[in-house]
Amino acid sequence: QVQLQESGPGQVKPSETLSLTCTVSGDSIKSDYWSWIRQSPGEGPEWIGYIIHGGGTNYNPSLKSRVIVSLDTSKNEMSLRLRSATAADTAVYYCARVKFSMVRGVVTHYFDNWGQGTLVTVSS
Amino acid sequence: QSVLTQPPSASGTPGQRVTISCSGSASNVGSNTLSWYQHLPGTAPKLLIYSNDQRPSGVPDRFSGSKSGTSASLAISGLQSEDEADYYCATWDDSLNGPVFGGGTKLTVL
Repeated sequence: QVQLQESGPGQVKPSETLSLTCTVSGDSIKSDYWSWIRQSPGEGPEWIGYIIHGGGTNYNPSLKSRVIVSLDTSKNEMSLRLRSATAADTAVYYCARVKFSMVRGVVTHYFDNWGQGTLVTVSS
Repeated sequence: QSVLTQPPSASGTPGQRVTISCSGSASNVGSNTLSWYQHLPGTAPKLLIYSNDQRPSGVPDRFSGSKSGTSASLAISGLQSEDEADYYCATWDDSLNGPVFGGGTKLTVL
């Protein structure tokens, strides 16, 4: 059974870098796609970006200039770094495993396992 | 503002059938497959439906999904108190080149 657990500081000061780690058990981080999603209070979820080992990354254009997602295969972990944080980045941050395929131009993409999420507040 | 549109709330009594709608556009719902998630605050969101109408193992057949054009729906039959949760739809968006979500529907079991 795949399990994901987010960890990191619960509070970040404005203009600083928000850094989170997702520890994966029950599956190798070298397989599949892995993603970060966040949800601000009262809003729907927002995709941040995804990564696949050896295959690169893809980020939400609205965050692309500030975000880096990386893998540490020795620890079976995925990391998120979001620089120049503002109050608008206050949210619950989730990591998730992604299933992704494209057949005849139709994309099937879904998150089949999620972490419980971690609340990050951007405040001085 | 979420890309996909869902009603903010829905309700039903135990045993009833409830449907939750999700609408989008040609670049997302109209072109790609849809997934649905159940979320109880403070817990990990749970995949309910993928590929429009497929249930992962362990999800009761009381949950079903369908899609037509740029709209989709999640149906829950035989409503139970433990179904009270937030429900989200999601799909791939060709314009964004990434996944998009609905704003969520809070289901209340009366």
